[in-house]
Amino acid sequence: AQTVTQSQPEMSVQEAETVTLSCTYDTSENNYYLFWYKQPPSRQMILVIRQEAYKQQNATENRFSVNFQKAAKSFSLKISDSQLGDTAMYFCAFMKRGNQFYFGTGTSLTVIP
Amino acid sequence: SAVISQKPSRDICQRGTSLTIQCQVDSQVTMMFWYRQQPGQSLTLIATANQGSEATYESGFVIDKFPISRPNLTFSTLTVSNMSPEDSSIYLCSVAQDPQGAREKLFFGSGTQLSVL
Repeated sequence: AQTVTQSQPEMSVQEAETVTLSCTYDTSENNYYLFWYKQPPSRQMILVIRQEAYKQQNATENRFSVNFQKAAKSFSLKISDSQLGDTAMYFCAFMKRGNQFYFGTGTSLTVIP
Repeated sequence: SAVISQKPSRDICQRGTSLTIQCQVDSQVTMMFWYRQQPGQSLTLIATANQGSEATYESGFVIDKFPISRPNLTFSTLTVSNMSPEDSSIYLCSVAQDPQGAREKLFFGSGTQLSVL
């Protein structure tokens, strides 16, 4: 069975600083995808970044980047230059073939002005 | 990215009644998914809805309680039947396909906030 673990229920960061959210997963699959989703108070789930497991290069999307360690089954999200609009729940997710997604329990991030 | 319209956005319902949630996608997609997000919790997959066949339900969810329709490749409904306060949750429609057909991304509707009194 696939599991996704986010060990940080809550985090905070000063505006303009950098924060890293942790995620680990467990799978016997070799080909899969990893995601970070953001859910602001509006409830809308927004895709932040996506990583393909067969790619060694870490994905980057503007201020968001990941540290993907396949052997360690670790997938952390780094947010640089944090903005107030980054305040949200962040969910790590794993997808295997067949489009079955598994979500972590989420990390509530607060950006402090 | 796929644009997903979900309605109602929120509703307050009485115990024992049913609510049907609609999900409309702006492109044809093979698979649509329904998730439940209980207060303060992560997302739990209820079922996968394929066009032209019965939905596939995850463990703990049954068709009598959560009947799903999928009449075409752009539309689906989820009904929450004989509701109880334990059904109070956010219900999310999603698709794992962008308009170009890539199937390795999950897009979500804006969710339905359901409160059962």
